[in-house]
Amino acid sequence: AQSVTQLGSHVSVSEGALVLLRCNYSSSVPPYLFWYVQYPNQGLQLLLKYTSAATLVKGINGFEAEFKKSETSFHLTKPSAHMSDAAEYFCAVNSGGSNYKLTFGKGTLLTVNP
Amino acid sequence: KAGVTQTPRYLIKTRGQQVTLSCSPISGHRSVSWYQQTPGQGLQFLFEYFSETQRNKGNFPGRFSGRQFSNSRSEMNVSTLELGDSALYLCASSLEGLMTGGQNIQYFGAGTRLSVL
Repeated sequence: AQSVTQLGSHVSVSEGALVLLRCNYSSSVPPYLFWYVQYPNQGLQLLLKYTSAATLVKGINGFEAEFKKSETSFHLTKPSAHMSDAAEYFCAVNSGGSNYKLTFGKGTLLTVNP
Repeated sequence: KAGVTQTPRYLIKTRGQQVTLSCSPISGHRSVSWYQQTPGQGLQFLFEYFSETQRNKGNFPGRFSGRQFSNSRSEMNVSTLELGDSALYLCASSLEGLMTGGQNIQYFGAGTRLSVL
């Protein structure tokens, strides 16, 4: 079984501040992990993915995430928030094999204050 | 290259009716997955199709069904609509599906927002 927990349904930061969105996963096999972003009235856009090639993954728009097996975490960070980063962020896991689905966390709504 | 296209974008139905949603995947993608997004339950997997075959199904009642055509376009149908079916339905396509180790990226459409009155 696989599951994802996103700590904090709402995170608020000031423009220029560090963004940290937390994600912990549970998987019985080495997982593939993804971060998606959803802007209002839009679908999901992939920010980055982890597929075991490197523990630190760089994505689009200045975001990156670090896979920590010992902590079963895949937290998303960005050094300096921009107003355009305001959106909802979803962490997802796929354990591969015969499991043909993504399991998503509940999402974290990021607000960026001027 | 065109992205994933979902039609219609918005739908209003009444309880007891049925509805069909359409999804056209990215050209060349053979896997199509469907998800339901609600404020309470979040994003939940409905089913996935690859080469016209349903490969996996989520925990939804039989009122939710789908199919995939030879050109990879997919439809999902919900019969006997209930108020709780009001949601954003998202379709995602993938180049080879998730069977190749789960690495393949799923590309999402903008969704169909269904309101059941």
